[in-house]
Amino acid sequence: QKEVEQNSGPLSVPEGAIASLNCTYSDRGSQSFFWYRQYSGKSPELIMSIYSNGDKEDGRFTAQLNKASQYVSLLIRDSQPSDSATYLCAVKGNGQNFVFGPGTRLSVLP
Amino acid sequence: DVKVTQSSRYLVKRTGEKVFLECVQDMDHENMFWYRQDPGLGLRLIYFSYDVKMKEKGDIPEGYSVSREKKERFSLILESASTNQTSMYLCASKLAGDRDEKLFFGSGTQLSVL
Repeated sequence: QKEVEQNSGPLSVPEGAIASLNCTYSDRGSQSFFWYRQYSGKSPELIMSIYSNGDKEDGRFTAQLNKASQYVSLLIRDSQPSDSATYLCAVKGNGQNFVFGPGTRLSVLP
Repeated sequence: DVKVTQSSRYLVKRTGEKVFLECVQDMDHENMFWYRQDPGLGLRLIYFSYDVKMKEKGDIPEGYSVSREKKERFSLILESASTNQTSMYLCASKLAGDRDEKLFFGSGTQLSVL
């Protein structure tokens, strides 16, 4: 059974700080990695995708991938209260099965 | 704007009833998915469809079936609803070959089976 693990949180950071969200996965054949954000009562929306080892930056968000360690992370710089949400890590192999982690709840305190 | 529409936001059914959850997308996407989301378990894939009349089992297909007669519509069927199928059901669609592999989600159906 392919697994994706995340710390459920809540992770609390002060406004303006860097939030660091982590994810590990079990399937070494995974090729694509994603971070989705889900506000309370809403559906998930894609914020980052990453496919190769290293860092990928998009605005205040940086995704980091280390395939050898089977580890994906998301950094949110200058965290804002509007970033408060649950962040879902997802991985995909060759097929169409996206495997999601349970999510980490982030709370950014004003 | 991209749209995935699920027919009901809240649904209450009784044990043993046959339940239909409908999902329609207007983006001409080939791939469609049904997930259920439970606290602490995240999203788990029930079924997905590559294209019209094509379907594949996901991780938890037991007790469910699906139908995809038209490209835009993907239906999830609970043949005989049970209380352990009480959950939030999310439909998603994706363009085959999309470089970002982005899933577009509907707003979800909260199903309660009594």
